[in-house]
Amino acid sequence: AQTVTQSQPEMSVQEAETVTLSCTYDTSESNYYLFWYKQPPSRQMILVIRQEAYKQQNATENRFSVNFQKAAKSFSLKISDSQLGDTAMYFCAFTKDFSGGYNKLIFGAGTRLAVHP
Amino acid sequence: DAGVTQSPTHLIKTRGQQVTLRCSPKSGHDTVSWYQQALGQGPQFIFQYYEEEERQRGNFPDRFSGHQFPNYSSELNVNALLLGDSALYLCASSSGQTGETQYFGPGTRLLVL
Repeated sequence: AQTVTQSQPEMSVQEAETVTLSCTYDTSESNYYLFWYKQPPSRQMILVIRQEAYKQQNATENRFSVNFQKAAKSFSLKISDSQLGDTAMYFCAFTKDFSGGYNKLIFGAGTRLAVHP
Repeated sequence: DAGVTQSPTHLIKTRGQQVTLRCSPKSGHDTVSWYQQALGQGPQFIFQYYEEEERQRGNFPDRFSGHQFPNYSSELNVNALLLGDSALYLCASSSGQTGETQYFGPGTRLLVL
């Protein structure tokens, strides 16, 4: 069975600085997808970034980038130039390859990020 | 482009009652998944509907059931409510053909007293 582990329950960062959130996962699948979702106090789960396991290149979305280490089964999220609006819970999630139409998401326990002025 | 919508936003029930939550998927999506998120935890997969049928199911009892309508909207029903059913219920939609990425609605907060 697949599992997702986020070892940092809480983190804090100063505005404009860089922070890295950690995620490790366990799977025997060769192809899969990894995601970072953000859940602000408004509780809407928002997709931040996604990575396809067969792609070597790390995904980036503006200030958000990932460090995907497939052999180590590690998938960290780097937030550059942190902004107050980045304050939220961040969830790492896994789904196996979509062939056959099965795409349930398996989530980690989350990391609560606080950005301070 | 309308995103995923859910209703109601909040709900209070008592033990033993039944509840129905509703979800409309993002435009162009035909698959709906439901998740339960207990306070301070990550979401847990309940089940997924595609072409009006339950396609996958997580480790939830039969008290949790669902339905998908021809317009792709979906309902989650929970019977014989327990205190432990208190949670945020999230609906997510995706494409049945290419949809490894799921987009979430704002959730329904259920409190069971």
